[in-house]
Amino acid sequence: EDKVVQSPLSLVVHEGDTVTLNCSYEVTNFRSLLWYKQEKKAPTFLFMLTSSGIEKKSGRLSSILDKKELSSILNITATQTGDSAIYLCAVYPNRDDKIIFGKGTRLHILP
Amino acid sequence: NAGVTQTPKFRVLKTGQSMTLLCAQDMNHEYMYWYRQDPGMGLRLIHYSVGEGTTAKGEVPDGYNVSRLKKQNFLLGLESAAPSQTSVYFCASRNRVYDNEQFFGPGTRLTVL
Repeated sequence: EDKVVQSPLSLVVHEGDTVTLNCSYEVTNFRSLLWYKQEKKAPTFLFMLTSSGIEKKSGRLSSILDKKELSSILNITATQTGDSAIYLCAVYPNRDDKIIFGKGTRLHILP
Repeated sequence: NAGVTQTPKFRVLKTGQSMTLLCAQDMNHEYMYWYRQDPGMGLRLIHYSVGEGTTAKGEVPDGYNVSRLKKQNFLLGLESAAPSQTSVYFCASRNRVYDNEQFFGPGTRLTVL
């Protein structure tokens, strides 16, 4: 059965800290991995990763995929209170119309 | 462009009542999805559609029906609501097979008493 596992499920850090969120997957014929940020409303798209070892970066957020280890990490440097959210990882198996979501990591940044 | 919109935003039902949630998108996307989100459970796929007139079951389809009569609309129906269907429902759409980003609506918070 295809699955996506995120860790940790919950994380509390202080403003200014750096955090690393993990996502591992087991799917048949991997196609792509996506990261979303969800505050108190709909998830918003952060990154899509398809190739191993190529870092995607947007401001203080970055992500990289390791196809050998079947995993991805999302890094957030110099965290701010506005980074508090649920971060969702999702994977598309190849030749499939549906995406598989992990349960998310709930990140809380203390001022 | 409004993107993906959902109607209603909030609803309270009594057990056994029925209702329909409407999702509309103005991006001409072929694919549309209905998810439910419960605390600690992430997003779980209920039903999805790969085009007008077609629907398919997702991970948790029981108790729900869907219809895609028009490309821009995707309806989710609850024929006889149960307390276990209390959840936040999200609709999403995307362009085509290799355009992977899904665009989400704002969600509908449904409570079944």
